[in-house]
Amino acid sequence: RKEVEQDPGPFNVPEGATVAFNCTYSNSASQSFFWYRQDCRKEPKLLMSVYSSGNEDGRFTAQLNRASQYISLLIRDSKLSDSATYLCVVKRGGSYIPTFGRGTSLIVHP
Amino acid sequence: EAQVTQNPRYLITVTGKKLTVTCSQNMNHEYMSWYRQDPGLGLRQIYYSMNVEVTDKGDVPEGYKVSRKEKRNFPLILESPSPNQTSLYFCASTRSSGANVLTFGAGSRLTVL
Repeated sequence: RKEVEQDPGPFNVPEGATVAFNCTYSNSASQSFFWYRQDCRKEPKLLMSVYSSGNEDGRFTAQLNRASQYISLLIRDSKLSDSATYLCVVKRGGSYIPTFGRGTSLIVHP
Repeated sequence: EAQVTQNPRYLITVTGKKLTVTCSQNMNHEYMSWYRQDPGLGLRQIYYSMNVEVTDKGDVPEGYKVSRKEKRNFPLILESPSPNQTSLYFCASTRSSGANVLTFGAGSRLTVL
């Protein structure tokens, strides 16, 4: 089983839609969780960290479920500019190495 | 501007011709790493460095070398490139090994013929 798994998509949604991605992780010792965004052929950039109590940044909401070992990203009122690949990143406690999921592709169309 | 700079951004080379991809950061970050990204495989770590003169293998180190003689620089060396090293390469850095946010360079697209 891969350490971090994501549905590769693509998720094809109209503008204004709400879309959610999940990411599962296998190592229960994981302590830090993030969502990165990557535009086509460009570098990944941090979108948001994921906190235990859940957190929101504008139209984006991230949640963590430790019991089921998954994190989620919800995007409300999708914009064309949200089209990108969303990478789930997990870091184990005591490890220096973040583990990246393979990414979920989102395409927002008019 | 705080950034990670990679060079070259694009390179086409031939099998066996040694090449170096440079990576430099101006943020005084301790931790630096190299990734390759291939379709369907995501980002895979090649090597990382926790500080000057401290380097370690990531998940896919075969065929690569690195060095960390100065804090700001972390070059990736392909001694004898092969076509299976055709990929998009990213250098990344972060303040310390315990820090969480990685800053990536813009990427280097390498083609080995």
